[in-house]
Amino acid sequence: AQSVSQHNHHVILSEAASLELGCNYSYGGTVNLFWYVQYPGQHLQLLLKYFSGDPLVKGIKGFEAEFIKSKFSFNLRKPSVQWSDTAEYFCAVNAFRAGNMLTFGGGTRLMVKP
Amino acid sequence: DVKVTQSSRYLVKRTGEKVFLECVQDMDHENMFWYRQDPGLGLRLIYFSYDVKMKEKGDIPEGYSVSREKKERFSLILESASTNQTSMYLCASSTRNGNSPLHFGNGTRLTVT
Repeated sequence: AQSVSQHNHHVILSEAASLELGCNYSYGGTVNLFWYVQYPGQHLQLLLKYFSGDPLVKGIKGFEAEFIKSKFSFNLRKPSVQWSDTAEYFCAVNAFRAGNMLTFGGGTRLMVKP
Repeated sequence: DVKVTQSSRYLVKRTGEKVFLECVQDMDHENMFWYRQDPGLGLRLIYFSYDVKMKEKGDIPEGYSVSREKKERFSLILESASTNQTSMYLCASSTRNGNSPLHFGNGTRLTVT
């Protein structure tokens, strides 16, 4: 079965620091890749997605992610974080299971200190 | 804008009770999903439905059942609640297109005592 690993469970950064959150998946075929974000007290929302084409994808709020097929990775990056980026981040993979089913990673809780 | 509404934000139930969690979406989406969210485990799929009266087991269906009598509504049922079902439950919907993102509700935090 496919699986998604997020290696950092908790990350604490100061404002203006650079961010990279790791995501690795186990499926060897064609995949669609997503990052979702959950701000405190809010529902999960899509940050960015990769389906095909340029492996470097840009999302909302200055986030980007790079798909490296040879490493089965889809790491999330932001050059300079803000206090408002404090949230939990989830990587998700759709390996074309029936019905658009996603497999989620365990999540990374990011705290940005002002 | 897609809206996914879960009927309760917080629920407290006793062991052995039958529990209904309701979810309604307003965008005519074919697919609907129930996940549970636990710290360190991320989101795990319980059940999903790709059409009215259709349902498929997800990764952790044991102890749960679902009902989809109308396209906009997807209910999660705990036949006999147990303490290990204390969790945050998230409903989501999407179009049938495999490229489409999921739209989530605000979640229901269920505590079983």
